[in-house]
Amino acid sequence: GESVGLHLPTLSVQEGDNSIINCAYSNSASDYFIWYKQESGKGPQFIIDIRSNMDKRQGQRVTVLLNKTVKHLSLQIAATQPGDSAVYFCAEKGGNEKLTFGTGTRLTIIP
Amino acid sequence: DGGITQSPKYLFRKEGQNVTLSCEQNLNHDAMYWYRQDPGQGLRLIYYSQIVNDFQKGDIAEGYSVSREKKESFPLTVTSAQKNPTAFYLCASSTRQGGTDTQYFGPGTRLTVL
Repeated sequence: GESVGLHLPTLSVQEGDNSIINCAYSNSASDYFIWYKQESGKGPQFIIDIRSNMDKRQGQRVTVLLNKTVKHLSLQIAATQPGDSAVYFCAEKGGNEKLTFGTGTRLTIIP
Repeated sequence: DGGITQSPKYLFRKEGQNVTLSCEQNLNHDAMYWYRQDPGQGLRLIYYSQIVNDFQKGDIAEGYSVSREKKESFPLTVTSAQKNPTAFYLCASSTRQGGTDTQYFGPGTRLTVL
């Protein structure tokens, strides 16, 4: 069935280091993927997206990589800052046009 | 949070009462969505609307109702039939322009049943 999951529920990274958050999906028909950041008590904030016809997309300090062969999505955050501490989750859009969300990874930046 | 507002931020309800959560957007988006978020779980779709005066049930619609009389508004009513309504409720909207259908979220309403 269609599912979106994350490999690690928690991730701690030293301030200034790079972080990588992973996401696995099972629906090979999914054609659009989004990464969201959610701070405590707030709504999810759009970070970056990627279509299935791309392998990589870069934003400001963030890069999303898509490996369709193994159905894997990752979010790389460069030079992490304290403000990057949050829960990050991915979402995929499959053939039914609805988004399916993962449960999230909590990223903690260690000063 | 962009141009999506939700009110109130916190809401308390007694058992047996219906409550309505507000969601307004000024992004001129056609589609709007309601999700429920529980600790340790992904967002679950309650209802969505692709266009004014039309809406569809999501994965967990039982005990909820919606209306879409205006493009910018998509209120959600949590009825007494919803057995476990305590949760964080998120409203989102999206446009199909560019074919990406990115959903943007409001700040959320935390509902607690007393």
